[in-house]
Amino acid sequence: QSALTQPASVSGSPGQSITISCTGTSSDVGSYNLVSWYQLHPGKAPKLMIYEVSTRPSGVSNRFSGSKSGNTASLTISGLQAEDEADYYCCSYAGSSIVVFGGGTKLTVL
Amino acid sequence: QVQLQESGPGLVKPSETLSLTCTVSGGSISYYYWSWIRQPPGKGLEWIGYVYYSGNTNYNPSLKSRVTISVDTSKNQFSLKLRSVTAADTAVYYCARPRDHGDYVPFDFWGQGTLVTVSS
Repeated sequence: QSALTQPASVSGSPGQSITISCTGTSSDVGSYNLVSWYQLHPGKAPKLMIYEVSTRPSGVSNRFSGSKSGNTASLTISGLQAEDEADYYCCSYAGSSIVVFGGGTKLTVL
Repeated sequence: QVQLQESGPGLVKPSETLSLTCTVSGGSISYYYWSWIRQPPGKGLEWIGYVYYSGNTNYNPSLKSRVTISVDTSKNQFSLKLRSVTAADTAVYYCARPRDHGDYVPFDFWGQGTLVTVSS
C-alpha cells in the first residue's frame, strides 16, 4: 500500500486561502469517504482537523474545510493565520482494515 | 477525556526488539481499535497497525513480518513489539484511538509520542 501523495510544501500570506491536495487511488481515497486531515505542530500530538472528507470536529475553526473529487481529497484553509503554520497530513481507509497516510505538507505562513 | 501515554525504552540496539506500551486513562479500552503510528525524523506518518480490544489485529503489510500488537484489558494498555530493528525504525512512535468505537479511523485521540532511536 503506497502513501498518499501530497505536495511537500505550500505557503500563503495571512488572510489568504490555501489548498493542500491528497492524491490516492481508486482503492483508497476514491473508494471510501473516510479521508481525514491532521495538523502537526513540532513537539505536540497530532490534531484531527477534518474527518469523513469534510466534517469538522467540535472546536476546529470553520476556516478549515475538506472536499474530495475522484481519487483526490483536498484541505482548504481560508483566512490564513500565523498559528496555522504546521505540517498537515491526510489519511484514508484503504480497505481490508488498512490505513494509509500521505507524505505530509509543510504550510508556511509568510 | 481519554488520554493516551506511550512508555518504553528510548534507545534500542540494531537487530533487537523495540517494545512500547500505551496506557489509556479516562476511558475504557473496550470496543475500540487501538493503533500505533510512527514518524521517522524528517519523514511522514506511517500507520503500523491496530489491535481491537478483543485481541484481533491487523498490520501495515510493509511491517507485518516484524510487528506484534497486543492488548491487556485488565491494565487498560496495549503494546507494540517490532523485531529486528534497524536505523530505519528510528522514529517518534504514537499510540492513537479513533473517534468512534468500531471504526478504524479517524484518529481523534493521540499520545504525545515517544522518540525511539535505534543505535548501538
